[in-house]
Amino acid sequence: SQKIEQNSEALNIQEGKTATLTCNYTNYSPAYLQWYRQDPGRGPVFLLLIRENEKEKRKERLKVTFDTTLKQSLFHITASQPADSATYLCALDTSGGSYIPTFGRGTSLIVHP
Amino acid sequence: SAVISQKPSRDICQRGTSLTIQCQVDSQVTMMFWYRQQPGQSLTLIATANQGSEATYESGFVIDKFPISRPNLTFSTLTVSNMSPEDSSIYLCSVEHPRTRGGTGELFFGEGSRLTVL
Repeated sequence: SQKIEQNSEALNIQEGKTATLTCNYTNYSPAYLQWYRQDPGRGPVFLLLIRENEKEKRKERLKVTFDTTLKQSLFHITASQPADSATYLCALDTSGGSYIPTFGRGTSLIVHP
Repeated sequence: SAVISQKPSRDICQRGTSLTIQCQVDSQVTMMFWYRQQPGQSLTLIATANQGSEATYESGFVIDKFPISRPNLTFSTLTVSNMSPEDSSIYLCSVEHPRTRGGTGELFFGEGSRLTVL
C-alpha cells in the first residue's frame, strides 16, 4: 500500500540545537515534496517545497533534503527556538504531478528554553 | 498570498443536524479544496470545488453527506449533513498558491472549523 510516514512521537529538543524531522514514503514517485507548519487551532502554513531533481533546499534556518532513492525527506531547523514549537507536516505529490498533495500525519516539535 | 476566512471557527452540534461551513478568499481562485483533519490524523481531502461545476469527491466521501457549493471564484461552502459523533473534526478550506497555478500544489489554508458532534 502507499504510505507517508512521519514520527508520531513528539521530538523534544533544547533551544539552540538543530531539530531534524523525517518523512518517509513508500510506493510513490513524487514530483515534489512539501513541508508545512501547523500550530494548534490553526490551518497549516506552507514552508518549503523541494522537487524530485533537487537534493537540498534552504530558507533562512530551514533546510530540506530529498532522497528519492531512500524515499525520504529530512527537514532541519537550525538554532531552534521555542517559537518553532509546532507540528510539521510533510506532503507529497502522489499522482504523478497532481496539484493536490497528500499529507502525512505530522510530527510535533517541542523546543525547550 | 491569499487570505482565507472560514466560519464558523468552531461549533457544537447535535446528532442528526447539518452544519454549513463558509469559506471566503480575498482573491479569485479556480479551485478550492475542502479537507478534514480528525484528531491525531493527517489532512484528508474531501473534495475539490470548481466554480460553475459540481465538486469532485475523493474516495470515501459522497455528495449527499458533504454537499458543496461554489457560486463564484472567491466563495465556497461545505455542508456536513446528518451529523454523527464520527464527524467531529476540523474542516479546512484551502486554495492553491497563485504563483504555482498548475504547478506544485503549494496550498493556503483557512484557520479551520472545529466541529464537535454530541
